[in-house]
Amino acid sequence: DPKIIQKPKYLVAVTGSEKILICEQYLGHNAMYWYRQSAKKPLEFMFSYSYQKLMDNQTASSRFQPQSSKKNHLDLQITALKPDDSATYFCASSQGTGGDTGQLYFGEGSKLTVL
Amino acid sequence: GDQVEQSPSALSLHEGTGSALRCNFTTTMRAVQWFRKNSRGSLINLFYLASGTKENGRLKSAFDSKERYSTLHIRDAQLEDSGTYFCAAGTRNAPRFGAGTKLSVKP
Repeated sequence: DPKIIQKPKYLVAVTGSEKILICEQYLGHNAMYWYRQSAKKPLEFMFSYSYQKLMDNQTASSRFQPQSSKKNHLDLQITALKPDDSATYFCASSQGTGGDTGQLYFGEGSKLTVL
Repeated sequence: GDQVEQSPSALSLHEGTGSALRCNFTTTMRAVQWFRKNSRGSLINLFYLASGTKENGRLKSAFDSKERYSTLHIRDAQLEDSGTYFCAAGTRNAPRFGAGTKLSVKP
């Protein structure tokens, strides 16, 4: 059974709309992350949370807002969608935080296409 | 910021042969992780190393924090080893990824 659940797996949105990507982890981890991979680009770090607090944010745009209602949830709200936001968004978690996170575990990704 | 430089970007192997992938780091990292992205796009954990070497089947990884590099050796490559391999390492809150090595194993 997958231990990190991402929903939806695929989604299509129109420019200017808003979407929420869901992530839940059942590994009992304390830290959660969002990464993004656009076509032909490396995996790009976006956010990290530890005990539901934002630890690091490398996303320039405020259109991307993480939301953590519980320790094992880290959703990603994206507003005013643009075609450049099209990418696969990966959620991850780890036991540790800080400079030595321990092994990262990834969900299967949510592939977003913005038309 | 922390930089992870991965090479080669692409690699073609015949079944039964082997090679090495490498990641160089611009600063001292505490640990390195290696992943393979499979045909479904899922990231499969291969190794997590804070130092030294680890081996799992036909894969072996090494990490030298002081010299700022890590390697992933593949021996006796099989068709199912094809995919994109990534290393990831960091000094702050979250690991950063290399650009990946696309491995193609041919009969």
